[in-house]
Amino acid sequence: AQSVAQPEDQVNVAEGNPLTVKCTYSVSGNPYLFWYVQYPNRGLQFLLKYITGDNLVKGSYGFEAEFNKSQTSFHLKKPSALVSDSALYFCAVRDFGQNFVFGPGTRLSVLP
Amino acid sequence: NAGVTQTPKFQVLKTGQSMTLQCAQDMNHEYMSWYRQDPGMGLRLIHYSVGAGITDQGEVPNGYNVSRSTTEDFPLRLLSAAPSQTSVYFCASSYSTGFSGNTIYFGEGSWLTVV
Repeated sequence: AQSVAQPEDQVNVAEGNPLTVKCTYSVSGNPYLFWYVQYPNRGLQFLLKYITGDNLVKGSYGFEAEFNKSQTSFHLKKPSALVSDSALYFCAVRDFGQNFVFGPGTRLSVLP
Repeated sequence: NAGVTQTPKFQVLKTGQSMTLQCAQDMNHEYMSWYRQDPGMGLRLIHYSVGAGITDQGEVPNGYNVSRSTTEDFPLRLLSAAPSQTSVYFCASSYSTGFSGNTIYFGEGSWLTVV
Protein backbone atom coordinates (compact mmCIF):
# COMPACT_ATOMS: atom_id res chain seq x y z
CA ALA A 1 0.00 0.00 0.00
CA GLN A 2 1.09 3.53 -0.73
CA SER A 3 2.15 5.76 2.14
CA VAL A 4 3.61 9.20 2.65
CA ALA A 5 5.60 10.53 5.57
CA GLN A 6 6.36 14.10 6.46
CA PRO A 7 8.81 13.81 9.33
CA GLU A 8 8.47 17.40 10.55
CA ASP A 9 5.26 18.75 12.04
CA GLN A 10 6.63 22.28 11.96
CA VAL A 11 9.37 24.06 10.04
CA ASN A 12 10.52 27.54 11.00
CA VAL A 13 12.67 29.62 8.70
CA ALA A 14 13.69 33.27 8.54
CA GLU A 15 12.44 35.36 5.64
CA GLY A 16 14.97 35.38 2.80
CA ASN A 17 16.51 32.06 3.82
CA PRO A 18 16.09 28.87 1.82
CA LEU A 19 13.42 26.46 2.98
CA THR A 20 12.97 22.71 2.73
CA VAL A 21 9.89 20.70 3.63
CA LYS A 22 10.62 16.99 3.68
CA CYS A 23 8.59 14.12 2.26
CA THR A 24 9.32 10.42 1.89
CA TYR A 25 7.09 7.90 0.24
CA SER A 26 6.46 4.23 -0.22
CA VAL A 27 4.82 2.97 -3.40
CA SER A 28 4.77 -0.12 -5.52
CA GLY A 29 5.61 0.78 -9.09
CA ASN A 30 6.23 4.24 -10.51
CA PRO A 31 5.50 7.07 -8.10
CA TYR A 32 3.22 9.97 -8.96
CA LEU A 33 4.03 12.59 -6.35
CA PHE A 34 2.36 15.89 -5.55
CA TRP A 35 2.71 18.90 -3.26
CA TYR A 36 -0.23 20.98 -2.11
CA VAL A 37 -0.43 24.09 0.07
CA GLN A 38 -3.27 25.07 2.38
CA TYR A 39 -3.75 28.59 3.67
CA PRO A 40 -5.94 29.18 6.75
CA ASN A 41 -9.61 28.37 6.20
CA ARG A 42 -9.02 27.50 2.55
CA GLY A 43 -8.90 24.42 0.38
CA LEU A 44 -5.72 22.76 -0.82
CA GLN A 45 -3.98 24.36 -3.76
CA PHE A 46 -1.79 22.44 -6.19
CA LEU A 47 1.89 23.45 -6.20
CA LEU A 48 3.69 20.90 -8.36
CA LYS A 49 3.95 17.25 -9.29
CA TYR A 50 6.42 14.64 -10.43
CA ILE A 51 5.35 12.12 -13.05
CA THR A 52 8.50 11.27 -14.95
CA GLY A 53 11.58 12.89 -16.42
CA ASP A 54 13.72 15.58 -14.78
CA ASN A 55 14.20 14.97 -11.07
CA LEU A 56 13.89 18.69 -10.31
CA VAL A 57 10.32 19.84 -10.73
CA LYS A 58 9.39 23.53 -10.75
CA GLY A 59 5.99 24.72 -9.58
CA SER A 60 3.94 27.69 -8.52
CA TYR A 61 5.11 30.63 -6.37
CA GLY A 62 8.80 29.83 -6.88
CA PHE A 63 8.64 26.40 -5.28
CA GLU A 64 10.49 23.38 -6.61
CA ALA A 65 10.85 19.78 -5.52
CA GLU A 66 13.56 17.24 -5.97
CA PHE A 67 12.67 13.63 -6.67
CA ASN A 68 15.20 11.13 -5.35
CA LYS A 69 14.34 7.56 -6.23
CA SER A 70 17.11 5.91 -4.20
CA GLN A 71 16.08 7.76 -1.05
CA THR A 72 12.35 7.60 -1.90
CA SER A 73 12.08 11.30 -1.17
CA PHE A 74 10.35 14.28 -2.74
CA HIS A 75 11.43 17.32 -0.74
CA LEU A 76 9.87 20.71 -1.39
CA LYS A 77 12.26 23.64 -1.64
CA LYS A 78 12.37 27.36 -2.21
CA PRO A 79 15.56 29.43 -2.49
CA SER A 80 14.25 32.45 -0.59
CA ALA A 81 11.29 32.20 1.77
CA LEU A 82 8.58 34.84 2.08
CA VAL A 83 6.36 35.53 5.08
CA SER A 84 3.42 34.85 2.77
CA ASP A 85 4.69 31.28 2.30
CA SER A 86 3.56 30.50 5.85
CA ALA A 87 0.96 27.76 5.47
CA LEU A 88 0.31 24.04 5.82
CA TYR A 89 2.02 21.87 3.19
CA PHE A 90 0.93 18.41 2.15
CA CYS A 91 2.84 15.81 0.19
CA ALA A 92 0.75 13.19 -1.61
CA VAL A 93 1.11 10.11 -3.76
CA ARG A 94 -1.50 8.83 -6.15
CA ASP A 95 -2.07 5.12 -6.39
CA PHE A 96 -3.19 3.02 -9.33
CA GLY A 97 -6.80 3.20 -8.16
CA GLN A 98 -6.78 6.97 -8.69
CA ASN A 99 -6.94 7.74 -4.99
CA PHE A 100 -4.53 10.11 -3.32
CA VAL A 101 -2.73 9.28 -0.11
CA PHE A 102 -1.72 12.38 1.81
CA GLY A 103 0.95 12.90 4.39
CA PRO A 104 -0.01 14.43 7.74
CA GLY A 105 1.12 17.90 6.70
CA THR A 106 3.95 20.22 7.73
CA ARG A 107 3.27 23.69 9.06
CA LEU A 108 5.73 26.20 7.66
CA SER A 109 6.30 29.43 9.53
CA VAL A 110 8.41 32.10 7.88
CA LEU A 111 9.56 34.64 10.40
CA PRO A 112 10.10 38.27 9.37
CA ASN B 1 -13.87 29.91 -13.43
CA ALA B 2 -15.80 28.00 -10.74
CA GLY B 3 -13.81 24.72 -10.44
CA VAL B 4 -15.03 22.70 -7.45
CA THR B 5 -17.85 24.30 -5.48
CA GLN B 6 -18.89 23.13 -2.02
CA THR B 7 -21.88 24.19 0.05
CA PRO B 8 -22.47 25.03 2.82
CA LYS B 9 -19.26 26.64 4.05
CA PHE B 10 -20.24 26.31 7.70
CA GLN B 11 -22.84 24.15 9.42
CA VAL B 12 -23.77 23.28 13.00
CA LEU B 13 -25.77 20.11 13.55
CA LYS B 14 -27.29 18.45 16.56
CA THR B 15 -26.43 14.84 17.27
CA GLY B 16 -28.71 12.56 15.31
CA GLN B 17 -29.59 15.06 12.61
CA SER B 18 -28.93 14.32 8.98
CA MET B 19 -27.63 16.65 6.31
CA THR B 20 -26.09 16.73 2.86
CA LEU B 21 -22.89 18.47 1.84
CA GLN B 22 -23.11 19.50 -1.78
CA CYS B 23 -20.25 19.32 -4.27
CA ALA B 24 -20.28 20.34 -7.91
CA GLN B 25 -17.52 20.64 -10.49
CA ASP B 26 -17.65 22.21 -13.94
CA MET B 27 -14.47 20.68 -15.39
CA ASN B 28 -16.04 17.48 -16.73
CA HIS B 29 -13.91 15.42 -14.35
CA GLU B 30 -14.68 11.73 -14.08
CA TYR B 31 -13.11 11.28 -10.65
CA MET B 32 -14.61 12.91 -7.55
CA SER B 33 -13.92 12.31 -3.90
CA TRP B 34 -14.65 13.44 -0.36
CA TYR B 35 -12.02 13.86 2.35
CA ARG B 36 -12.18 14.88 5.95
CA GLN B 37 -9.39 16.83 7.60
CA ASP B 38 -8.72 16.51 11.28
CA PRO B 39 -5.82 18.06 13.24
CA GLY B 40 -2.66 15.99 13.04
CA MET B 41 -4.26 13.38 10.79
CA GLY B 42 -3.98 14.96 7.38
CA LEU B 43 -6.72 14.17 4.89
CA ARG B 44 -8.57 10.90 4.99
CA LEU B 45 -10.62 9.60 2.10
CA ILE B 46 -14.30 8.99 2.85
CA HIS B 47 -15.82 7.99 -0.49
CA TYR B 48 -14.90 8.37 -4.11
CA SER B 49 -16.37 7.96 -7.58
CA VAL B 50 -14.75 7.27 -10.95
CA GLY B 51 -17.83 8.19 -12.96
CA ALA B 52 -21.58 8.67 -12.90
CA GLY B 53 -23.30 5.74 -11.23
CA ILE B 54 -20.06 4.40 -9.71
CA THR B 55 -19.07 4.98 -6.09
CA ASP B 56 -16.77 3.22 -3.65
CA GLN B 57 -15.63 3.46 -0.07
CA GLY B 58 -12.43 5.06 1.08
CA GLU B 59 -10.57 4.83 4.36
CA VAL B 60 -13.29 6.19 6.68
CA PRO B 61 -16.74 5.59 5.10
CA ASN B 62 -18.82 4.75 8.18
CA GLY B 63 -21.65 7.18 8.84
CA TYR B 64 -21.53 8.67 5.35
CA ASN B 65 -23.34 7.98 2.13
CA VAL B 66 -22.73 9.19 -1.42
CA SER B 67 -24.31 8.99 -4.84
CA ARG B 68 -23.20 10.08 -8.32
CA SER B 69 -26.17 10.56 -10.58
CA THR B 70 -24.40 13.08 -12.84
CA THR B 71 -20.79 13.79 -13.78
CA GLU B 72 -20.98 17.23 -12.15
CA ASP B 73 -22.41 16.46 -8.71
CA PHE B 74 -21.19 14.31 -5.83
CA PRO B 75 -23.16 14.96 -2.60
CA LEU B 76 -22.06 13.58 0.76
CA ARG B 77 -24.80 12.60 3.20
CA LEU B 78 -24.41 12.32 6.94
CA LEU B 79 -27.08 9.85 7.97
CA SER B 80 -27.18 10.47 11.73
CA ALA B 81 -24.61 13.03 12.82
CA ALA B 82 -22.28 12.25 15.69
CA PRO B 83 -19.78 14.52 17.49
CA SER B 84 -16.97 12.41 15.99
CA GLN B 85 -18.00 13.76 12.60
CA THR B 86 -17.02 17.29 13.58
CA SER B 87 -14.41 18.05 10.95
CA VAL B 88 -13.56 19.98 7.83
CA TYR B 89 -14.78 18.27 4.68
CA PHE B 90 -13.21 18.70 1.27
CA CYS B 91 -14.54 17.65 -2.08
CA ALA B 92 -12.00 17.09 -4.86
CA SER B 93 -12.04 16.10 -8.51
CA SER B 94 -9.73 15.21 -11.37
CA TYR B 95 -9.62 13.67 -14.80
CA SER B 96 -9.42 9.92 -14.59
CA THR B 97 -8.90 7.86 -17.75
CA GLY B 98 -6.45 5.60 -15.95
CA PHE B 99 -3.60 8.11 -15.73
CA SER B 100 -2.45 8.53 -12.15
CA GLY B 101 -0.54 11.72 -12.94
CA ASN B 102 -3.69 13.81 -13.22
CA THR B 103 -3.84 16.65 -10.72
CA ILE B 104 -6.68 16.70 -8.20
CA TYR B 105 -8.45 19.99 -7.49
CA PHE B 106 -10.09 20.85 -4.19
CA GLY B 107 -13.10 22.83 -3.11
CA GLU B 108 -12.83 25.46 -0.40
CA GLY B 109 -14.07 23.17 2.36
CA SER B 110 -17.12 22.77 4.59
CA TRP B 111 -16.69 23.28 8.33
CA LEU B 112 -19.07 21.00 10.20
CA THR B 113 -19.68 21.02 13.95
CA VAL B 114 -21.87 18.39 15.59
CA VAL B 115 -23.05 19.26 19.09
